[in-house]
Amino acid sequence: AQKITQTQPGMFVQEKEAVTLDCTYDTSDPSYGLFWYKQPSSGEMIFLIYQGSYDQQNATEGRYSLNFQKARKSANLVISASQLGDSAMYFCAMRAASTDSWGKLQFGAGTQVVVTP
Amino acid sequence: SQTIHQWPATLVQPVGSPLSLECTVEGTSNPNLYWYRQAAGRGLQLLFYSVGIGQISSEVPQNLSASRPQDRQFILSSKKLLLSDSGFYLCAWSGGRGGISNQPQHFGDGTRLSIL
Repeated sequence: AQKITQTQPGMFVQEKEAVTLDCTYDTSDPSYGLFWYKQPSSGEMIFLIYQGSYDQQNATEGRYSLNFQKARKSANLVISASQLGDSAMYFCAMRAASTDSWGKLQFGAGTQVVVTP
Repeated sequence: SQTIHQWPATLVQPVGSPLSLECTVEGTSNPNLYWYRQAAGRGLQLLFYSVGIGQISSEVPQNLSASRPQDRQFILSSKKLLLSDSGFYLCAWSGGRGGISNQPQHFGDGTRLSIL
């Protein structure tokens, strides 16, 4: 069975600093995808970044980058130059080929990020 | 472009009353559709997913049911709500078929359901 673990329930980060959110996963599938979502206090889930298990390079999207370490089964999200608007809950999610051919995602418990001035 | 609409945004219902939450997607055809529930301060729990009209898969046995009467319409229902049905309900859609897709799920704005 697949499992996603986010060990940091909450983090404080100062504006303009970088922050790393941890995500580890467990799957026996060789083919899988990893996603990060942001959920502000208003509740909507916003897709941030994707990393495929066969991707050779770490994914980047603007200020978001993914530190993908396949052997360690970790996919940490790095937010550079934090802004006050980055305050939100962040979720890591995984899709594995053998059980999720229809696009189902397994979500972690989330990390609450608070950006301070 | 694709959009997803979910309503109502907020709902307060008495225990034992029925429920109907609706979700529609525009700008795409034959999407995969999903219903999630999120307890306060927790992660997302997948309730139902659908890969086509009339095709519903349930992930967790519960007091709820789902239906997909049209390609881009997904409905979450209950005949008699329980206190434990309170939570934040999110509808989502994704494209792609088979294997590993890099297409993310796109979420609606959610419904906050309070059972009294």
